Amino acid sequence: SYVLTQPPSVSVAPGQTARITCGGNNIGSKSVHWNQQKPGQAPVVVVYDDSDRPSRIPERFSGSNSGNTATLTISRVEAGDEADYYCQVWDSSSDQGVFGGGTKLTVL
Amino acid sequence: EVQLVDSGGGLVQPGGSLRLSCAASRFTFDDYAMHWVRQAPGKGLEWVSGVSWNSGTIGYADSVKGRFTISRDNAKNSLYLQMTSLRAEDTALYYCAKDKGGGTSGWHYFDYWGQGTPVTVSS
Repeated sequence: SYVLTQPPSVSVAPGQTARITCGGNNIGSKSVHWNQQKPGQAPVVVVYDDSDRPSRIPERFSGSNSGNTATLTISRVEAGDEADYYCQVWDSSSDQGVFGGGTKLTVL
Repeated sequence: EVQLVDSGGGLVQPGGSLRLSCAASRFTFDDYAMHWVRQAPGKGLEWVSGVSWNSGTIGYADSVKGRFTISRDNAKNSLYLQMTSLRAEDTALYYCAKDKGGGTSGWHYFDYWGQGTPVTVSS
């Protein structure tokens, strides 16, 4: 089965840039979606199809995907961005959904 | 705005059964695929199952295949998950999630989520 690997945690100071990676075999050939989950809340998509952003999500959120790594970039990080972030793809060989293990973003 | 209300969770003994429901509103339900995603306590997200708009395409995670059955009733704007032979490892918060697409040519992404319904499997 397809495996996505994320760092367990990322820390960044307010106003700085946070980068959260998602590794997978030839992930660049897949569409990657990123979900944000704040404590006690349901997830919310922040980036879909590698780099597209829902209209309600700030432009500070962006994504890229190439080779074996997809990256979610959050510019000018704010305290309100503190959350768990999950990357997600569809495994075409099994037609099953796959999530990364999640990355906890801490704003220092 | 899209509304998804999950219900039906509870405490069940190992080997027991439970049926989850998701009531959808404020969008054309029968245009979109729907999914169930779960989250064990303190753990990450796990896709459980998905169904296309017309129920013609259905998929399951290996961990639930043969035990869980997803279904939908477009006339009632409702999604269901029938869970049987429940195990302790099925304990989780179960979310229904709306797909951006119809699901007949592949799944897309989850653009809206319910608030989740908790399932606890314990004796």
